[in-house]
Amino acid sequence: AQSVTQLGSHVSVSEGALVLLRCNYSSSVPPYLFWYVQYPNQGLQLLLKYTTGATLVKGINGFEAEFKKSETSFHLTKPSAHMSDAAEYFCAVRVSGGSYIPTFGRGTSLIVHP
Amino acid sequence: EAQVTQNPRYLITVTGKKLTVTCSQNMNHEYMSWYRQDPGLGLRQIYYSMNVEVTDKGDVPEGYKVSRKEKRNFPLILESPSPNQTSLYFCASSPGTGIPDTQYFGPGTRLTVL
Repeated sequence: AQSVTQLGSHVSVSEGALVLLRCNYSSSVPPYLFWYVQYPNQGLQLLLKYTTGATLVKGINGFEAEFKKSETSFHLTKPSAHMSDAAEYFCAVRVSGGSYIPTFGRGTSLIVHP
Repeated sequence: EAQVTQNPRYLITVTGKKLTVTCSQNMNHEYMSWYRQDPGLGLRQIYYSMNVEVTDKGDVPEGYKVSRKEKRNFPLILESPSPNQTSLYFCASSPGTGIPDTQYFGPGTRLTVL
């Protein structure tokens, strides 16, 4: 079975500050990991994904995430927050060889203050 | 333009009145799925389909039906809606290449059951 835990339903940062959104997963086999973003009144879109190889993954809009197997984590970061980053962020996991459909976390709402 | 479309975008109905939410993709994707999004619960998978005439239950299938008669369409059917099915619904599709491919989401359907 696979599962995802996103720590913190809301994260608040100031514009220009570091963004850190936490995601921990549970999987008995090597996972594939995803971050999706949902802007207000829109569907989800992919930010980045980890499959194999390099553990530091770069995505769109300056976001990146690092796969840490020892910590079963896939935290999302961005060095400097912008007002336009305010959105809901979802971490998702899919195990290799399992159902192709990923399991999503409950989401973290990123609030960016001027 | 490559996209997933859902109709209607907004729907208010009454308990017990059958309804269908349509989903269509123009990317020739093999896989399609339905999710519901509820505050604090994130996205939960309702049903998915790996090919025409092949569907399977997700995490919360009770009260829903789906069909996949054509590759591009994957309607969600609520035979007898109840208030606990008030939610935001998303359809998604992905190529189904066997690697962890990206899901493409529709814009969502906000359903209210009175």
